[in-house]
Amino acid sequence: ETGVTQTPRHLVMGMTNKKSLKCEQHLGHNAMYWYKQSAKKPLELMFVYNFKEQTENNSVPSRFSPECPNSSHLFLHLHTLQPEDSALYLCASSQEIGGGSYEQYFGPGTRLTVT
Amino acid sequence: GQNIDQPTEMTATEGAIVQINCTYQTSGFNGLFWYQQHAGEAPTFLSYNVLDGLEEKGRFSSFLSRSKGYSYLLLKELQMKDSASYLCAAMDSNYQLIWGAGTKLIIKP
Repeated sequence: ETGVTQTPRHLVMGMTNKKSLKCEQHLGHNAMYWYKQSAKKPLELMFVYNFKEQTENNSVPSRFSPECPNSSHLFLHLHTLQPEDSALYLCASSQEIGGGSYEQYFGPGTRLTVT
Repeated sequence: GQNIDQPTEMTATEGAIVQINCTYQTSGFNGLFWYQQHAGEAPTFLSYNVLDGLEEKGRFSSFLSRSKGYSYLLLKELQMKDSASYLCAAMDSNYQLIWGAGTKLIIKP
């Protein structure tokens, strides 16, 4: 248990559906992240929030829309996804954005399958 | 461009020692992280190096050479529970982590 929870753990959706992934951290951290993890590929950073403000958007398609209502919660809204978006979506948090004192703590991920 | 290289898979024997290598190229450098990820689970932090040299933490040690863009993770007295993927990540000048694809470590009895 890392102090970061994600729901749902598994999600199957059609290409025309709209769904949301939820992440909650109980660590009092100020930075939160969304990553995409595909088989045998490096983790891809999607979005970064620092003190509820989005600081990074790494060329992510607009069919992925993040929301950070407060420092403890992070959402990823999904719509009109493609089969290649099937992957493990990981949420992480850190005390702040910085070096080694601010290692990231990961949630267990949501396994997304787009049919 | 930014890049991390590490072996895809390694096999070792229970009780032995294994070294997992990682080379990196980043725009600026703010440290090198190692994470462990068991199948179906979250990555968990193992170590952080920002200065050259060896950091020891129990059975696990991590080494960094900044001039060579090189790090390794050394696992001693291997146990079956050490079977996992080991992720190398370098932090760039923007404090973003650039990740390797991970090394799957298989431990045999």
